[in-house]
Amino acid sequence: AQTVTQSQPEMSVQEAETVTLSCTYDTSESDYYLFWYKQPPSRQMILVIRQEAYKQQNATENRFSVNFQKAAKSFSLKISDSQLGDAAMYFCASGANAGGTSYGKLTFGQGTILTVHP
Amino acid sequence: KAGVTQTPRYLIKTRGQQVTLSCSPISGHRSVSWYQQTPGQGLQFLFEYFSETQRNKGNFPGRFSGRQFSNSRSEMNVSTLELGDSALYLCASSLPGHRSPLHFGNGTRLTVT
Repeated sequence: AQTVTQSQPEMSVQEAETVTLSCTYDTSESDYYLFWYKQPPSRQMILVIRQEAYKQQNATENRFSVNFQKAAKSFSLKISDSQLGDAAMYFCASGANAGGTSYGKLTFGQGTILTVHP
Repeated sequence: KAGVTQTPRYLIKTRGQQVTLSCSPISGHRSVSWYQQTPGQGLQFLFEYFSETQRNKGNFPGRFSGRQFSNSRSEMNVSTLELGDSALYLCASSLPGHRSPLHFGNGTRLTVT
């Protein structure tokens, strides 16, 4: 079983500043992966970044990067040079390769609403 | 390439009725997953289909069912609707392989009155 916890219901940041969203997880699987998705008011979930648990190097996608602390089961998202378009609900999610039957099954956190102030 | 298409976008039903939601995955994607999103419970996994077979199922009552067709399009059905079934239902598709990310549609907003 997997659990994902996002302890920050809401966060805010000034445009061009940096913000970090927190996520902790728990899993009994050895082969797992982690994602951050954003959900703007349009409702569509958009993949922001993903991290393979077996990789020690933190994933980076342009202004988005993660701090993956495997021992602490922590997976935070850092958004640099925040833009108005980054305003959305952000979800942390985990998935696992449990014998080849869990591909599409992700466990999501409760989400963090990010507000970007001009 | 067209994204994941879900129809209809909005739906209003009465308690006791049944409803069918449709999902067309991205071309080439054979795996389709369904999620229910509510303010109280967040995002919860319903089920996943791959090559017309249910590969995984979440913890939902038997009133929730789904199927996948040979062209990978999927439908989910909810029978005997309850007020608590009001939610945003999201469909996601992915390529075969356990490290392929999910690509989500815009969802169907179901309201049960």
